[in-house]
Amino acid sequence: DGGITQSPKYLFRKEGQNVTLSCEQNLNHDAMYWYRQDPGQGLRLIYYSQIVNDFQKGDIAEGYSVSREKKESFPLTVTSAQKNPTAFYLCASTLGGVTGELFFGEGSRLTVL
Amino acid sequence: AQSVTQPDIHITVSEGASLELRCNYSYGATPYLFWYVQSPGQGLQLLLKYFSGDTLVQGIKGFEAEFKRSQSSFNLRKPSVHWSDAAEYFCAVALLYNTDKLIFGTGTRLQVFP
Repeated sequence: DGGITQSPKYLFRKEGQNVTLSCEQNLNHDAMYWYRQDPGQGLRLIYYSQIVNDFQKGDIAEGYSVSREKKESFPLTVTSAQKNPTAFYLCASTLGGVTGELFFGEGSRLTVL
Repeated sequence: AQSVTQPDIHITVSEGASLELRCNYSYGATPYLFWYVQSPGQGLQLLLKYFSGDTLVQGIKGFEAEFKRSQSSFNLRKPSVHWSDAAEYFCAVALLYNTDKLIFGTGTRLQVFP
């Protein structure tokens, strides 16, 4: 079945550690996105990529990094520079831009201890 | 300021009752409009979208939404709510001049009582 797989589903991290969240899709979609979700704040865009080897900052990119070496994969690294990393992270993809349908993964919940 | 507003943080309805979730936007030109739904601990799923044409849009799961230009609104409705509709609902927009990304509202959590 086609879809988006995020891993891990739950992750605990100590302060000062970097952590990488995985996002893989087998939908053959060009564009991929990372959103952060906090209670009462909706979804905020961290980074997005419309093509392999290219990506753009979203609204809250500070403290995060991404790569897009393969069409299927768009990993997100939460660095120690991110001041408040505890959140629910959602990866999404779409074939022809956001005016189509965004397909979402089930999310990764990161907790910093 | 440009924004997408969902005025209701939390709504509770009885099963079988009608539902209306509000969404207002403030952008110079009418953006592309969307409603997404998120079940607890899950990703989001597209319910419906509006670009142009008929202002009443039908979506999945029996939902519909009405675009009202004069009110800058795109409210989501369902005539009879089922317990399985309990979820969080997000209104979102894409700007005509920048369709690279969706801008989401803060969401409305729907609780359904039997």
